[in-house]
Amino acid sequence: GENVEQHPSTLSVQEGDSAVIKCTYSDSASNYFPWYKQELGKRPQLIIDIRSNVGEKKDQRIAVTLNKTAKHFSLHITETQPEDSAVYFCAAIPSGSARQLTFGSGTQLTVLP
Amino acid sequence: ETGVTQTPRHLVMGMTNKKSLKCEQHLGHNAMYWYKQSAKKPLELMFVYSLEERVENNSVPSRFSPECPNSSHLFLHLHTLQPEDSALYLCASSQSGTGGSSYEQYFGPGTRLTVT
Repeated sequence: GENVEQHPSTLSVQEGDSAVIKCTYSDSASNYFPWYKQELGKRPQLIIDIRSNVGEKKDQRIAVTLNKTAKHFSLHITETQPEDSAVYFCAAIPSGSARQLTFGSGTQLTVLP
Repeated sequence: ETGVTQTPRHLVMGMTNKKSLKCEQHLGHNAMYWYKQSAKKPLELMFVYSLEERVENNSVPSRFSPECPNSSHLFLHLHTLQPEDSALYLCASSQSGTGGSSYEQYFGPGTRLTVT
């Protein structure tokens, strides 16, 4: 089965700086990689995703990059703001399964004012 | 209510009790999921229902028993739980199908379960 590893487990950055969270996956057939954000006491919500036929995707201050050869993908947040403070989870879905998300262990991001 | 709702939001139960968690989705989705979220651990997929059929059971102990009476409702029946079962239980739904137009899963707010 799929195994997703996520680093770092905690990350603190100064407001305005960039934050990068990295994930690796084991199943080379995986073809969909979402990122979820979970604020304290709230539910996880999808913030960005990328499919295996694309190398990079951007949405305002958030971007995700995918390296299929190395089997890793990363979340980049630029110009961080206090409201970016949350736990971020990466995930992967193997080819042929539209349902079974395998999540990384999460990264607690703290943006310091 | 819109989206995915869960009740109760908090539950404290003894090891000999029987209780049920309820999830309801108002998004017209055809797949529903139960996840367990423990402190400092990844989200663990417990059960998947697609078109009301259970399609995944990730080696979950039999003291957890899911039920999906229709595509909008999902239950998790609990009995003789252990203290290590204390966690946040999250329900999610998605529109499952071929082509993968959207794999997004929508989560409910969760039920915080404490087993004493």
